[in-house]
Amino acid sequence: DVKVTQSSRYLVKRTGEKVFLECVQDMDHENMFWYRQDPGLGLRLIYFSYDVKMKEKGDIPEGYSVSREKKERFSLILESASTNQTSMYLCASSLSLAGEVEQYFGPGTRLTVT
Amino acid sequence: GEDVEQSLFLSVREGDSSVINCTYTDSSSTYLYWYKQEPGAGLQLLTYIFSNMDMKQDQRLTVLLNKKDKHLSLRIADTQTGDSAIYFCAFPSGTASKLTFGTGTRLQVTL
Repeated sequence: DVKVTQSSRYLVKRTGEKVFLECVQDMDHENMFWYRQDPGLGLRLIYFSYDVKMKEKGDIPEGYSVSREKKERFSLILESASTNQTSMYLCASSLSLAGEVEQYFGPGTRLTVT
Repeated sequence: GEDVEQSLFLSVREGDSSVINCTYTDSSSTYLYWYKQEPGAGLQLLTYIFSNMDMKQDQRLTVLLNKKDKHLSLRIADTQTGDSAIYFCAFPSGTASKLTFGTGTRLQVTL
């Protein structure tokens, strides 16, 4: 079974802190994604990566950056956390294939910025 | 980009059928997906339908696709308490297997 793990289930940080969210997948997937989930807004894509050291902005990249130094690991960085970044953060991975491709999700990190 | 709308909440009694609806704007998707998020968990692929199909049935699940009206629905027969979750429709967008997700429908199953 594909397993996507995230470093923390719950995280509380102060405004202005630098925050690292880590995601690891064990199925050698090329693609990795970071989303944030907010009630009534669904999932919104922050960044994705289709290969090591490659990244592309998603729909809401402002205030975030990412790092992918190894294929299995994709990190989301909040350079200076703000209260409007309080949210559920979900990581996902998938193969890079044509046709129907499933995204596999981690359990999520609920981040609170005070 | 794709705009995808779902109603936020649905409450049904155990044993009844549930119908979760999704409307979208971009009709070029080849596959259309339904994901399920159980409490405290990430999303899991529930089912999908190929765009040249009108209907797909998988045990208690029926997916209906109306391409003319750009409407996708998920019907759950004999709804159980274990079906309580948030359901998202999703569509491919762009490259690298990206998906655009709907706003999600929270299904509450009551006894």
